[in-house]
Amino acid sequence: NAGVTQTPKFQVLKTGQSMTLQCAQDMNHEYMSWYRQDPGMGLRLIHYSVGAGITDQGEVPNGYNVSRSTTEDFPLRLLSAAPSQTSVYFCASGLIADTGELFFGEGSRLTVL
Amino acid sequence: EDQVTQSPEALRLQEGESSSLNCSYTVSGLRGLFWYRQDPGKGPEFLFTLYSAGEEKEKERLKATLTKKESFLHITAPKPEDSATYLCAVQGPGAQKLVFGQGTRLTINP
Repeated sequence: NAGVTQTPKFQVLKTGQSMTLQCAQDMNHEYMSWYRQDPGMGLRLIHYSVGAGITDQGEVPNGYNVSRSTTEDFPLRLLSAAPSQTSVYFCASGLIADTGELFFGEGSRLTVL
Repeated sequence: EDQVTQSPEALRLQEGESSSLNCSYTVSGLRGLFWYRQDPGKGPEFLFTLYSAGEEKEKERLKATLTKKESFLHITAPKPEDSATYLCAVQGPGAQKLVFGQGTRLTINP
């Protein structure tokens, strides 16, 4: 029973590099989202999607891109990494009818030097 | 703008010592208030949903309550395995976004 799977778990980037954080869920959830978690800041929403082909911005979208070509996958792209993007990133999914009850992945810890 | 403030930031209790965590919120029309538990190095895990003032939910040693301005997570006779960070989040009307508080880090000493 995989649930929400995130890869990689750890990544170190240099400033200006690009990369993609992968997220896949096997629960047939319509809703998927990306959060970042920083000390003292709590979880902040980056982007979210309510179904394949539909995405929208959250609270802190700048510097990140998303797409949703299938129900299962919701990758997060960092276009040109900056030290301010050093954080732990969480992908979460849920039912459209109950988007407060989210299932989270185990997180991806990103360090930008 | 929706806001959530949790207190205290950290709480250390002895095993069996009951206490409460607070979540104060401001939202223009509450659709739901949610409690999550997060263990170190893991993603948050859903605990409860509360929809209206006066509502209560229970699970083992945890009970969540809701008023028009705040929610409490009561922990009765806690055990060391209850040690975790507890997160509170709110959802406004028509919104498919959660706004989280900073969390309360709870430590239960044996």
